[in-house]
Amino acid sequence: GQSLEQPSEVTAVEGAIVQINCTYQTSGFYGLSWYQQHDGGAPTFLSYNALDGLEETGRFSSFLSRSDSYGYLLLQELQMKDSASYFCAVIPPGKLIFGTGTRLQVFP
Amino acid sequence: DAMVIQNPRYQVTQFGKPVTLSCSQTLNHNVMYWYQQKSSQAPKLLFHYYDKDFNNEADTPDNFQSRRPNTSFCFLDIRSPGLGDAAMYLCATSRPTSWVDLYNEQFFGPGTRLTVL
Repeated sequence: GQSLEQPSEVTAVEGAIVQINCTYQTSGFYGLSWYQQHDGGAPTFLSYNALDGLEETGRFSSFLSRSDSYGYLLLQELQMKDSASYFCAVIPPGKLIFGTGTRLQVFP
Repeated sequence: DAMVIQNPRYQVTQFGKPVTLSCSQTLNHNVMYWYQQKSSQAPKLLFHYYDKDFNNEADTPDNFQSRRPNTSFCFLDIRSPGLGDAAMYLCATSRPTSWVDLYNEQFFGPGTRLTVL
């Protein structure tokens, strides 16, 4: 079967850097995506890693290690508006499986 | 602006009374998805259409059906809603460049929150 593990909650202060980890087990794997979801809102796509290494998009970076079945999302220069839930999602053949999500709370 | 639209945003139905949720998109994407998301849980894929081809997830209950009359519209029909079907239902679209991109960047609508009384 498939499973994804993320920390349930992370807290940080404005301006800080936070890393949200995701470990996965899946039969077949094409890539790892990250989505952000504010309370009551829709998920929005942040990044996609198909190959090992770091992908950078502005303040957000995402990393993948296929050999370790591990990835992380790195958020820099945290802002209050970054308070949201963050989901990793694996892409095995024919499916998109979301992790349980990490709730990030940013404090002033 | 191109977008994914879901109507209504809030839907109340009675136990066992059929209900239909609507999704439309102006992105001209060929893949449309329906997800169920319960409180504090991850979105769970119910099914998707790749063009006109319907793909049902193995664990999606038979109570859930879908229709896609054209590229722009997709409907979720719940034939006999139970209390356990109360959730946020999310519609999403994508335009993959290849089979391995099938589940790459997806664009979500705002969701319809379903309440079952």
